[in-house]
Amino acid sequence: GDSVTQMEGPVTLSEEAFLTINCTYTATGYPSLFWYVQYPGEGLQLLLKATKADDKGSNKGFEATYRKETTSFHLEKGSVQVSDSAVYFCALSLPLNRDDKIIFGKGTRLHILP
Amino acid sequence: EPEVTQTPSHQVTQMGQEVILRCVPISNHLYFYWYRQILGQKVEFLVSFYNNEISEKSEIFDDQFSVERPDGSNFTLKIRSTKLEDSAMYFCASSHPGEAFFGQGTRLTVV
Repeated sequence: GDSVTQMEGPVTLSEEAFLTINCTYTATGYPSLFWYVQYPGEGLQLLLKATKADDKGSNKGFEATYRKETTSFHLEKGSVQVSDSAVYFCALSLPLNRDDKIIFGKGTRLHILP
Repeated sequence: EPEVTQTPSHQVTQMGQEVILRCVPISNHLYFYWYRQILGQKVEFLVSFYNNEISEKSEIFDDQFSVERPDGSNFTLKIRSTKLEDSAMYFCASSHPGEAFFGQGTRLTVV
């Protein structure tokens, strides 16, 4: 079935380090891809998205490129900040479904040290 | 900015009791969802709701669960007889369709 696999956490980095969180997907159709972020004590927020191959989603210095050939959507940031500490979820939805049900990965906890 | 609101933020209930989790979706949205996140695990789809009926539900959404949109603004999730394993964060979401907006979640603790 449709699924999302992302790297296990926690990931601990020093401030200003380069971040990569890997994400790959399996889907029967042509999905839209998302990264959601959950800050401590808060709900889920959409961080960025891409709806077709080679699209690059970007927001708050984070980027992810929709790679159809490798079925991947890795999240990157060039220089992380303490305020980026959160749980990051890779996700997909299939627009051919009757609804926009989202399938999430297990989440990766990111901890940035000052 | 419009947002999805959920109440309560935290609910503690005894095993076997009924609970109702409440959500107010964004006003012009047409699709409504409930998701569940057991502590430390992934966010799981429970149910989607469109045009006053369930459009899809997961295997988690058994006969103990029901959803309702009683008055055109609220969207509720009822758990008839709670079990310990129902303890989780429950997220409501809505979409126009398109981008789904999530609420802050209700943390349900079954004791």
